[in-house]
Amino acid sequence: EVQLVESGGGLVQPGGSLRLSCAASGFTFSTYWMNWFRQAPGKGLEWLANIRQDGSEKFYVDSVKGRFTISRDNAKNSLYLQMNSLRAEDTAVYYCARRYFYGSGSYSFDYWGQGAQVTVSS
Amino acid sequence: AIQMTQSPSSLSASVGDRVTITCRASQDIRNDLGWYQQKPGKAPKLLIYYASRLQAGVPSRFSGSGSGTDFTLTISSLQPEDFAIYLCLQDHSYPFTFGPGTKVDFK
Repeated sequence: EVQLVESGGGLVQPGGSLRLSCAASGFTFSTYWMNWFRQAPGKGLEWLANIRQDGSEKFYVDSVKGRFTISRDNAKNSLYLQMNSLRAEDTAVYYCARRYFYGSGSYSFDYWGQGAQVTVSS
Repeated sequence: AIQMTQSPSSLSASVGDRVTITCRASQDIRNDLGWYQQKPGKAPKLLIYYASRLQAGVPSRFSGSGSGTDFTLTISSLQPEDFAIYLCLQDHSYPFTFGPGTKVDFK
C-alpha cells in the first residue's frame, strides 16, 4: 500500500526555520517526481516545489523561491522541505504528493500525505 | 503563471442530481488538467487526470471533459459522500496552479 507520511511541522517564530519530512512506503520512491503543496487556513491549495527522481532538477513557485529548498534521500525513501526565513503567511498545512506518469504525456498527483501543520507566529 | 478559474464557486444540490463544474485556464494547457475532491481536514483525492481519464477506484459517476482552456467535471448522480470541494489543477507548465474550488453542499 502506498503511503506518504509528513512530519516536522510545528510552531515557529517569524524569521525562523523548519524542516519537513515525508516518509514514503509501498512503492519505488526513487522512480517518481515528488512534490510539496500547502493550504493556508481558509484558502486554496498552492503547489510549492517538485524534484526529479535523482534530485537533478527542482522547480519552485516564486513565493518560496530562495527561502525553501526541496531535497530527497532515495536510500531513505524520504522527501524534505527546508523552510527558512518563515513568515506569517507561510502558516498552512503542508502536503507531499507523488507525481505519477501514466504514459503518453499524462501525469497526475495520485497519492498525498495526510498533511503537516506549520504555524508561523510570535 | 497560468490562472485557473472555476464556476460556480458553490452550489447546492440534492442526492441524485446531475452536477456540472467548469474550470477555465488563462492559456492553452492541452489536456494537462486534473480534478480533485477535498473534504474538510483531508488531503485532496484525485478523481480525473489528463482532463478526462478516470482514476482507478473512482466511481464512474464522475467524468471529465474538455481540452485547451475549457474543462468540465460532471457528477452524473450526486451521492451523499460527494458533498465536498472540487478543485482543478493544471500541470502543463510551472508553477502548477489550482482553481479556487467549487463547494458542493446539500440543498
